[in-house]
Amino acid sequence: AQKITQTQPGMFVQEKEAVTLDCTYDTSDQSYGLFWYKQPSSGEMIFLIYQGSYDEQNATEGRYSLNFQKARKSANLVISASQLGDSAMYFCAMRVRYRNTGNQFYFGTGTSLTVIP
Amino acid sequence: DVKVTQSSRYLVKRTGEKVFLECVQDMDHENMFWYRQDPGLGLRLIYFSYDVKMKEKGDIPEGYSVSREKKERFSLILESASTNQTSMYLCASRGAGFDGRRKLTSTDTQYFGPGTRLTVL
Repeated sequence: AQKITQTQPGMFVQEKEAVTLDCTYDTSDQSYGLFWYKQPSSGEMIFLIYQGSYDEQNATEGRYSLNFQKARKSANLVISASQLGDSAMYFCAMRVRYRNTGNQFYFGTGTSLTVIP
Repeated sequence: DVKVTQSSRYLVKRTGEKVFLECVQDMDHENMFWYRQDPGLGLRLIYFSYDVKMKEKGDIPEGYSVSREKKERFSLILESASTNQTSMYLCASRGAGFDGRRKLTSTDTQYFGPGTRLTVL
């Protein structure tokens, strides 16, 4: 069974500090992709960052980086220099490819991040 | 930029009504998805489609059906709405062509619509 686990329902961080949001995954497939999405209070899901299972280097996109530890099956999101606009729900997701039906995505339950001024 | 639109941001229906949620994408994507989002449960996949007229059940298809008559449009149908279908519904699309060794391109990422908050009374 495929599974994504986010163990932190809520997190607080001081403005300008860094914060790590945890994500672990469970799959027996060798080829998969890991994603992080941000969902502000307005409701839309915003893609942040992607890591492929074969990528040896950790993905980075501006202030976002993905700490990918394949042996531990973890894909933590690190946000550096937090800003007030970072307050939102954050979802970790995994994409697995099935031979007959293509890709399927699995989402975690989310972490609510609040940035404190 | 990819654009995914949903027909309504807010919808209120009565129990037993037939409900149509429409999703349209403008990037010629093959794959489209319908999720519902509930507090504490994250996103759960209802149905997805990997081509016109093709559909596959997700994790929670009961009480829902879908229609994909044209590539750009993926409709979610609640045949007889019930109060436990009150939720936020999110549509997403992505392009085909996956290679796990390749760097991220737009074909690897799902792009979401703004969501429809459905209330069933």
